[in-house]
Amino acid sequence: AQSVAQPEDQVNVAEGNPLTVKCTYSVSGNPYLFWYVQYPNRGLQFLLKYITGDNLVKGSYGFEAEFNKSQTSFHLKKPSALVSDSALYFCAVPADEKLTFGTGTRLTIIP
Amino acid sequence: SAVISQKPSRDICQRGTSLTIQCQVDSQVTMMFWYRQQPGQSLTLIATANQGSEATYESGFVIDKFPISRPNLTFSTLTVSNMSPEDSSIYLCSVEDRQTNHNYGYTFGSGTRLTVV
Repeated sequence: AQSVAQPEDQVNVAEGNPLTVKCTYSVSGNPYLFWYVQYPNRGLQFLLKYITGDNLVKGSYGFEAEFNKSQTSFHLKKPSALVSDSALYFCAVPADEKLTFGTGTRLTIIP
Repeated sequence: SAVISQKPSRDICQRGTSLTIQCQVDSQVTMMFWYRQQPGQSLTLIATANQGSEATYESGFVIDKFPISRPNLTFSTLTVSNMSPEDSSIYLCSVEDRQTNHNYGYTFGSGTRLTVV
């Protein structure tokens, strides 16, 4: 079955430092992978996706993610964190046309 | 990509009552999905709604508790029936945006934050 795992419930990063939110996947065939962000009291917003092609995917708000087939990972990254990046982040994978989510990582950027 | 209007955005309900959540999409879509997000948790799929057929429920969710309507290709409702405090969650609808086999994604409504007292 298609699944993703987010090993960290909470990540704290100082403002201006690079940030990484981890995601590993277990899929059969070519993986389609997504990252979403949920700001407080807001809905789910699409950040970026990997379908095929370049392993480095660029998305919204300066985020990017690197698809690594050998490590079965799709970590979300940003070179310089902003306080406004504080939110809940989910990676997700389609399974039978339904999106299955990881457990989520709460990212806190410390001023 | 599709735009979804979800209503209500939040509600506080008495236990034992029911709440119906609506999602309107600005384009025709084959499948609509309903998710629940319990406090501090990830999103869990409740059911998939296809137009013209009964919704398909995931394990742990039943039609009597979460009846779904899908009268046309742009609209769906989810009812949370006979509510208890354990139903306090955010409920979200979603649609698949598929332009080609290699260019697709999923769009979400803004969510309904339900508190049962």
